[in-house]
Amino acid sequence: EAGVAQSPRYKIIEKRQSVAFWCNPISGHATLYWYQQILGQGPKLLIQFQNNGVVDDSQLPKDRFSAERLKGVDSTLKIQPAKLEDSAVYLCASSSGSGNTIYFGEGSWLTVV
Amino acid sequence: AQRVTQPEKLLSVFKGAPVELKCNYSYSGSPELFWYVQYSRQRLQLLLRHISRESIKGFTADLNKGETSFHLKKPFAQEEDSAMYYCALSADSWGKLQFGSGTQVVVTP
Repeated sequence: EAGVAQSPRYKIIEKRQSVAFWCNPISGHATLYWYQQILGQGPKLLIQFQNNGVVDDSQLPKDRFSAERLKGVDSTLKIQPAKLEDSAVYLCASSSGSGNTIYFGEGSWLTVV
Repeated sequence: AQRVTQPEKLLSVFKGAPVELKCNYSYSGSPELFWYVQYSRQRLQLLLRHISRESIKGFTADLNKGETSFHLKKPFAQEEDSAMYYCALSADSWGKLQFGSGTQVVVTP
């Protein structure tokens, strides 16, 4: 079974530039999560989708972050404009439903300079 | 609001020695607790969850609601246990996880 796929794996951008990350969840998984992990900290949830609907985006900085999952499968997370403090690993995860195991991707490493 | 605390950033143990990773949580209801592990150059993966009450790779964890703790234990550490361990809590019906800050375990021969 293929795991959660993410791209790009690494990205370096200057502050005020934009960046987009892509995630392809495990086939059939209705629930998709984006987490932000800053160095030395645990992952923090940014947004959760159930199919193509947003369940929770309470911790998403909506002035600069946006995410979509238009067809209920792939998802993109965008940051525009980026700030230095956005340097982190962005983890995508998916599960087949509430209470089921959450599977993580390898992450997209962002450095903002 | 819920919170997960892992007081140790680093645990260094010798091979064959017992290891215990501490996890405390704050939540007024009945959460579900998990331990996730990240080995070097690998993705974050589930190690165990309290409702399963099973031992994975020799690790066990007991939920103590009185002390609001979910400590992870292994009686005899192995070198392959060297990894980053995260305690996590799920407190809603949607299953989202709240993570602690993680404990790095280093097992030396």
